[in-house]
Amino acid sequence: EAQVTQNPRYLITVTGKKLTVTCSQNMNHEYMSWYRQDPGLGLRQIYYSMNVEVTDKGDVPEGYKVSRKEKRNFPLILESPSPNQTSLYFCASSLAGEEKLFFGSGTQLSVL
Amino acid sequence: SQQGEEDPQALSIQEGENATMNCSYKTSINNLQWYRQNSGRGLVHLILIRSNEREKHSGRLRVTLDTSKKSSSLLITASRAADTASYFCATDEGSSGGSYIPTFGRGTSLIVHP
Repeated sequence: EAQVTQNPRYLITVTGKKLTVTCSQNMNHEYMSWYRQDPGLGLRQIYYSMNVEVTDKGDVPEGYKVSRKEKRNFPLILESPSPNQTSLYFCASSLAGEEKLFFGSGTQLSVL
Repeated sequence: SQQGEEDPQALSIQEGENATMNCSYKTSINNLQWYRQNSGRGLVHLILIRSNEREKHSGRLRVTLDTSKKSSSLLITASRAADTASYFCATDEGSSGGSYIPTFGRGTSLIVHP
């Protein structure tokens, strides 16, 4: 089944404790991206990647890192999480040149 | 990048009625998409309309695009309780230099009462 898989689904952590949210797609998509969703603010793009080893900042990249060492994986790294990074995070992917995005099920992150 | 704006923010209707939600954007676009999100879940693509198209249909969905007014509307006909969800528009306003950077609106929350 074609899908974007995010893990974990829920995560509670404390300020400053490094964490990684994984994202994997099995559709051989070139484009992958991360979004955060906050009430009243909609979806805001954090980082995106056009292909392996090609990443770029979105609208709200501060406090986040990404890497794209393999085509299928696009992990989101929070080196030192802070409470203002408490949010619902989504990974998405698409084929190069196609606009239709496939989304993961989301990761609800709480930073205490 | 500038976000599109959906209107209304929330919509409550009875099953069988039609639901109309609107999306406005600020700059020229090549395409506009509508997505649906069930509570707390990932977004699901519904329909894409290109800038040279004025109307598009998919099942009970009808999307229109008016580039002169920089707006789009999504009509769901004969709504069902299962249509209860949030609906988002996304444009390619933020895209440049070959990079596709979709810009999402804040969404319309639709509740369909049985």
